[in-house]
Amino acid sequence: DGGITQSPKYLFRKEGQNVTLSCEQNLNHDAMYWYRQDPGQGLRLIYYSQIVNDFQKGDIAEGYSVSREKKESFPLTVTSAQKNPTAFYLCASSSQGDLSYEQYFGPGTRLTVT
Amino acid sequence: AQSVAQPEDQVNVAEGNPLTVKCTYSVSGNPYLFWYVQYPNRGLQFLLKYITGDNLVKGSYGFEAEFNKSQTSFHLKKPSALVSDSALYFCAVRPRGYQLIWGAGTKLIIKP
Repeated sequence: DGGITQSPKYLFRKEGQNVTLSCEQNLNHDAMYWYRQDPGQGLRLIYYSQIVNDFQKGDIAEGYSVSREKKESFPLTVTSAQKNPTAFYLCASSSQGDLSYEQYFGPGTRLTVT
Repeated sequence: AQSVAQPEDQVNVAEGNPLTVKCTYSVSGNPYLFWYVQYPNRGLQFLLKYITGDNLVKGSYGFEAEFNKSQTSFHLKKPSALVSDSALYFCAVRPRGYQLIWGAGTKLIIKP
């Protein structure tokens, strides 16, 4: 999974609690991404960041928040406002200089909210 | 709306036979095209991409993909399937200036 770590691998939370998913990369990539994966669907973009201290909403940002204080780190917080948070969450990174660059993915975090 | 279609939810192939996983897209301009593979409970791994040039692109693990501009397709192929190729395969398309658009994925099952 090439230089991107996500922790924890499995996460269980009670409904109404906020939870933060960790993503760290040592690839010196400028861009980082958070995706959500549900069975039978492609990846859906939650947030992305092309540079430190800047990030943009993706297609399904409601109920999520992020920060990008360091180049290596892009944590995702799933808030209590997210109506259906149970899913597999994937973090990715890529070189920003050329949009043709492929993305490298972490191993994912499976979040279960009950 | 821009979209990527993987028309088959599942593809079954006997080991040793050739395999094809289909991908078509509807986006503006000349996009970048990608294939990724995902093993159970893992992140995605990059297989190959088409940027420009030769319509046949070779990638990791013996996979290749054929770009067809007139049919807006980018099918993934392998001449001889292995049981270890069994996984979930995603096609992704990146229109110039936009983020990736993902297909829903195709489950590839290779039977011994």
